[in-house]
Amino acid sequence: DQQVKQNSPSLSVQEGRISILNCDYTNSMFDYFLWYKKYPAEGPTFLISISSIKDKNEDGRFTVFLNKSAKHLSLHIVPSQPGDSAVYFCAATTPNFGNEKLTFGTGTRLTIIP
Amino acid sequence: KAGVTQTPRYLIKTRGQQVTLSCSPISGHRSVSWYQQTPGQGLQFLFEYFSETQRNKGNFPGRFSGRQFSNSRSEMNVSTLELGDSALYLCASSLEGDRGNEAFFGQGTRLTVV
Repeated sequence: DQQVKQNSPSLSVQEGRISILNCDYTNSMFDYFLWYKKYPAEGPTFLISISSIKDKNEDGRFTVFLNKSAKHLSLHIVPSQPGDSAVYFCAATTPNFGNEKLTFGTGTRLTIIP
Repeated sequence: KAGVTQTPRYLIKTRGQQVTLSCSPISGHRSVSWYQQTPGQGLQFLFEYFSETQRNKGNFPGRFSGRQFSNSRSEMNVSTLELGDSALYLCASSLEGDRGNEAFFGQGTRLTVV
């Protein structure tokens, strides 16, 4: 039972344009969401997070939007750069937990075309 | 400051054998979580240790076990290996496991069962 879903396995975007990565979840108990980025042969690294009391969080080129009624969140990267090419994972957790127990999606491979 | 270190990086084992993987967290971090990453399944939570105690457990069979030592280093053990156990095993450490502190991942151990 995949509680966090990333329905696009891959995405290609031109350098300088906006990259939009999507994530849906089914567990209404999730109240904290995170995005991680993973390069080959490296562990995932934290990008940005959002609490369910917010609908937007911004950090430099990265913005995460949360639509609780649709159980949907998205990560926007503007402008996209070649170094952004990686696999992006959406993750979530419930009120009982912090970062120690995350439920991850299956990932979206983002390729930035120069 | 050294990052999260996982050893070994690569491992090949035969069905029926057992294996032990090691994770050294960032100095001062007391929470260590383990995840299994397989194609199409994303990262799935195995268990978390905090101050030498298993605090959380995912939905994996009893063949998967772990422990944490007084210096916060953690090991996970898989007994009676099956072909389906082939995966990238990642550990993540954080100060307390709470949301205010980022979880840092190691590079992972790639286990292949033949």
